[in-house]
Amino acid sequence: DGGITQSPKYLFRKEGQNVTLSCEQNLNHDAMYWYRQDPGQGLRLIYYSQIVNDFQKGDIAEGYSVSREKKESFPLTVTSAQKNPTAFYLCASRGRPEETQYFGPGTRLLVL
Amino acid sequence: DQQVKQNSPSLSVQEGRISILNCDYTNSMFDYFLWYKKYPAEGPTFLISISSIKDKNEDGRFTVFLNKSAKHLSLHIVPSQPGDSAVYFCAAKNQGGKLIFGQGTELSVKP
Repeated sequence: DGGITQSPKYLFRKEGQNVTLSCEQNLNHDAMYWYRQDPGQGLRLIYYSQIVNDFQKGDIAEGYSVSREKKESFPLTVTSAQKNPTAFYLCASRGRPEETQYFGPGTRLLVL
Repeated sequence: DQQVKQNSPSLSVQEGRISILNCDYTNSMFDYFLWYKKYPAEGPTFLISISSIKDKNEDGRFTVFLNKSAKHLSLHIVPSQPGDSAVYFCAAKNQGGKLIFGQGTELSVKP
């Protein structure tokens, strides 16, 4: 069945380490998004991609990087430059522009 | 600059009564408004949306009202059920397709 998968569910990062969060969708959606959720705050956009091999910075892109080599996949790397990485990370995808975004189950990132 | 605001962080309602969740926005160029429901440690699930050219959209127990002159929208859930207890996010879509989210309101429906 179609959907969006994120892995792992929990991820631990050591100081100075880069970590990569996976997001895969089999909905044939063109657009994909990465959000971050902190307690008591809404979802904030990190990066988004409207088409393969193209992506744009969102509102809080510093300390993050992405790639979009395949339509199905939009991995997010949290680099050592991100000083406050502990958060719940959500990936979403969208079909036609008039459609809504559908979210994956999320990855919780914790710093050791 | 918070373009979408949910000023009530929490709301408690008795089972069977109406729940009203509110959302205010500042940008008159938003063309769609959406409500998402989120349980802890899960991704948000889409609930209901409304186009900026409408003032009401209904889907079962859920109704969204849009007041463009006041730049205000609300989600009504009636009757409320314990399973409705979750965090509700309103979101506004700009013409580039990006969603701007409010901070969320945690709804608790008491049996």
